[in-house]
Amino acid sequence: GAGVSQSPSNKVTEKGKDVELRCDPISGHTALYWYRQSLGQGLEFLIYFQGNSAPDKSGLPSDRFSAERTGGSVSTLTIQRTQQEDSAVYLCASSSSGTGDGYTFGSGTRLTVV
Amino acid sequence: SQQGEEDPQALSIQEGENATMNCSYKTSINNLQWYRQNSGRGLVHLILIRSNEREKHSGRLRVTLDTSKKSSSLLITASRAADTASYFCATRFNQAGTALIFGKGTTLSVSS
Repeated sequence: GAGVSQSPSNKVTEKGKDVELRCDPISGHTALYWYRQSLGQGLEFLIYFQGNSAPDKSGLPSDRFSAERTGGSVSTLTIQRTQQEDSAVYLCASSSSGTGDGYTFGSGTRLTVV
Repeated sequence: SQQGEEDPQALSIQEGENATMNCSYKTSINNLQWYRQNSGRGLVHLILIRSNEREKHSGRLRVTLDTSKKSSSLLITASRAADTASYFCATRFNQAGTALIFGKGTTLSVSS
């Protein structure tokens, strides 16, 4: 596609429920990244997919968080048993090679856990 | 933390003035990038400077990199109200397969 697409743009969920956030990267981009941003804060790295390599999951804050990337394209970030501290904007980005390029970000999913 | 740290946290200037934001980091890098964010949503890539470069220009933007001091600066010349946004530096460490690490950002307000 022309840009990185994320859905939904906003999600309100009850504490304890599971949520799935979707990211559709730019076609042909081999690298895909998930970050989250709490209100007024910087971006916190979550997970990084590069081609067919094993993902770098070092930023996932707990085992309630998981992500997959099917067919080297679309990615889904799943948060199980959501907690109020999970409320944040979840940002997805992609880049063509994962080495020396700038990232293209989606508009994010604003998750609110009530 | 190995993230870049921007300084100042907030900056308020008048239209037409120059805005300078600084970024410091802790370990050797492959490249450093600056991004802009409006309204707390998606970030837009502004400029990338590699570790072997000292200065780079793009339109009204000028970025410098001093690897000996582990610091970078972003200069926006002749600022406009539309430049109002948050600006983040991001570093890629000199290690294969690593994602960008972002700082907490500088919030720039340009008043007309």
